[in-house]
Amino acid sequence: KAGVTQTPRYLIKTRGQQVTLSCSPISGHRSVSWYQQTPGQGLQFLFEYFSETQRNKGNFPGRFSGRQFSNSRSEMNVSTLELGDSALYLCASSLDQGQTYFGPGTRLTVT
Amino acid sequence: AQSVTQPDIHITVSEGASLELRCNYSYGATPYLFWYVQSPGQGLQLLLKYFSGDTLVQGIKGFEAEFKRSQSSFNLRKPSVHWSDAAEYFCAVGARGGNTPLVFGKGTRLSVIA
Repeated sequence: KAGVTQTPRYLIKTRGQQVTLSCSPISGHRSVSWYQQTPGQGLQFLFEYFSETQRNKGNFPGRFSGRQFSNSRSEMNVSTLELGDSALYLCASSLDQGQTYFGPGTRLTVT
Repeated sequence: AQSVTQPDIHITVSEGASLELRCNYSYGATPYLFWYVQSPGQGLQLLLKYFSGDTLVQGIKGFEAEFKRSQSSFNLRKPSVHWSDAAEYFCAVGARGGNTPLVFGKGTRLSVIA
């Protein structure tokens, strides 16, 4: 069974631009979560989607948004990029609560 | 609020030596507990998990962890470390039966020397 896939793997953007990251969960998993990982803050929860509905949201500004499609694929969008948004963005999928699998991440660099 | 503490930021062990990585959690009820490993530039790989039952859980790559409710700990152990175990290790806690996200510790970086 294929794991969680994320595209693109690497991205370089300029301050003020927007970016969209994509995640395909493990087949059959309906829950998709996004995490931001930085050296200073560690792993922080962004949001979770389940059956196309946002079920949980972390403490991030409104510039961070996401959505989930009917096939469970998910996208996250960051608008008006700031230097501090440079991070590894990890997508995770789960079949039920607790059994969470992570993708390889998208490394976003904002210049 | 739930929290996870990994007291050791960086640990260096010799190849073949035993390893114990510490994890303490704060949670209102009995949680789900996890250990993940991350190699440089990679995502997180699940090493093992504790949901219920036997408090000593076995994982992949020869790792095990023991849940001690009285100490709110879930320490990761390996009897003999291999050079390929060098990576960053994260302990995480999740809610039982709920929909709350995983809360991670800050991680412990493991270096292995010959």
